[in-house]
Amino acid sequence: GAGVSQSPSNKVTEKGKDVELRCDPISGHTALYWYRQSLGQGLEFLIYFQGNSAPDKSGLPSDRFSAERTGGSVSTLTIQRTQQEDSAVYLCASSLVIAGNYEQYFGPGTRLTVT
Amino acid sequence: DAKTTQPNSMESNEEEPVHLPCNHSTISGTDYIHWYRQLPSQGPEYVIHGLTSNVNNRMASLAIAEDRKSSTLILHRATLRDAAVYYCILRDASQGAQKLVFGQGTRLTINP
Repeated sequence: GAGVSQSPSNKVTEKGKDVELRCDPISGHTALYWYRQSLGQGLEFLIYFQGNSAPDKSGLPSDRFSAERTGGSVSTLTIQRTQQEDSAVYLCASSLVIAGNYEQYFGPGTRLTVT
Repeated sequence: DAKTTQPNSMESNEEEPVHLPCNHSTISGTDYIHWYRQLPSQGPEYVIHGLTSNVNNRMASLAIAEDRKSSTLILHRATLRDAAVYYCILRDASQGAQKLVFGQGTRLTINP
C-alpha cells in the first residue's frame, strides 16, 4: 500500500524566505511526527500530532517553526524567515496507536537547503 | 527517556551473521526495546521490537537479556543492503504514541 509521502523532495530557498513542507501520512494513521536530520547530526524530534489532542511542540527549535495538521490527515511544516542553520532533511512519520506497538513509518524526507 | 548505549560502528562480511549490541541499564518495566535502521539517503525504517521475550521476524531477531539491561539485534545473514545506521530506542508503552529519541546509533559496514 501507499507509504508516507513528502513534498517537495528537495527545496532550495534564500535566507529570509518562508518555506512550507508537506507530509501525507498513511491513511488511517492517527499519529504524525516531524523530525529533522542535519548534515552529520542525528535525528531530532520536532513535533507530533495524535488524534484531536494538543500537539507536542516540545522539539521545535524556535518560534519560526510551526506545523499544522488539517482534518487529521495532511500536515504542513512551516519555517518562517529561514536561516542557513535550518538546512537539513525534514522527515515525517506516521503511526497507528495500538497498545504496546507504535511502529513509525517514515517518509523519504524533504532536503531543505537555505542559501 | 531512558538512554541506550551502542558502539559507534561495526563491520562484518557479507553472508555472515551480525550481532549489534545495545545497553540500556536504566530501562523501566514499561519500556519496549525498538530497533530502527536508516539506509543511506532514506528515512529510518522499523526493524523489530520487544519487551521481555526474544523476537523474530523476517528482517532480524532480537535477543533480550534476562534482566533487560541489554539487548542484541541479530542479522542472520548480512547482505550489502544491510549496510545502514542501526538505532536502539526505548519507548514507554504506558505513555501512548510518542516521539522517538534517536541516539547516534551503530553504523554497520558490510564487506563483500
